[in-house]
Amino acid sequence: AQTVTQSQPEMSVQEAETVTLSCTYDTSESDYYLFWYKQPPSRQMILVIRQEAYKQQNATENRFSVNFQKAAKSFSLKISDSQLGDAAMYFCAYRSTLGADGLTFGKGTHLIIQP
Amino acid sequence: AAGVIQSPRHLIKEKRETATLKCYPIPRHDTVYWYQQGPGQDPQFLISFYEKMQSDKGSIPDRFSAQQFSDYHSELNMSSLELGDSALYFCASSFRLAGGSAPHEQFFGPGTRLTVL
Repeated sequence: AQTVTQSQPEMSVQEAETVTLSCTYDTSESDYYLFWYKQPPSRQMILVIRQEAYKQQNATENRFSVNFQKAAKSFSLKISDSQLGDAAMYFCAYRSTLGADGLTFGKGTHLIIQP
Repeated sequence: AAGVIQSPRHLIKEKRETATLKCYPIPRHDTVYWYQQGPGQDPQFLISFYEKMQSDKGSIPDRFSAQQFSDYHSELNMSSLELGDSALYFCASSFRLAGGSAPHEQFFGPGTRLTVL
């Protein structure tokens, strides 16, 4: 079974600065998908960014980018120019391509933005 | 854009009662997923359906059952409720790529908060 580990229960960053959230995973599969989801106080799960394992290029969505290191099984999220609205729980998630539908989530990182 | 609709948004039940949660996927999405998120926990995958057939099963208790209907909406039926079932229940939806291969993204609904007293 796959596991996802987020080793930072909580991170704090000053507004307008850059922060990196860590995620590692364990799998024996060669092809899979990785995601970062944001869960603000409203508890809505919002997709931030996704990465296909077969793609070497790191995904980018505006201020959000990932550092995907397949050999190291690492998938970190970088948030540039942090904004107050970025404050939320961030979950890293893994999904297999081999028929298993469910996402496997990490325990989450609580991101605090200091004004 | 239309999103996943879940009803009810809040539900309070007593121990040993039953509950039914409903999920209406995004139009043209044919796959639904159910997740359970306990207090301070990450979401746990329960079960999924594709074209009205169960496609994957996670940590769904035997007391729970689910189905997907011809209009693609889904219902999660929970019986003999326990205090530990108190959680936020998410439904997510997606559409399969051509040929039925696994979809990339799951779009989550707002969740149903179930409280068991």
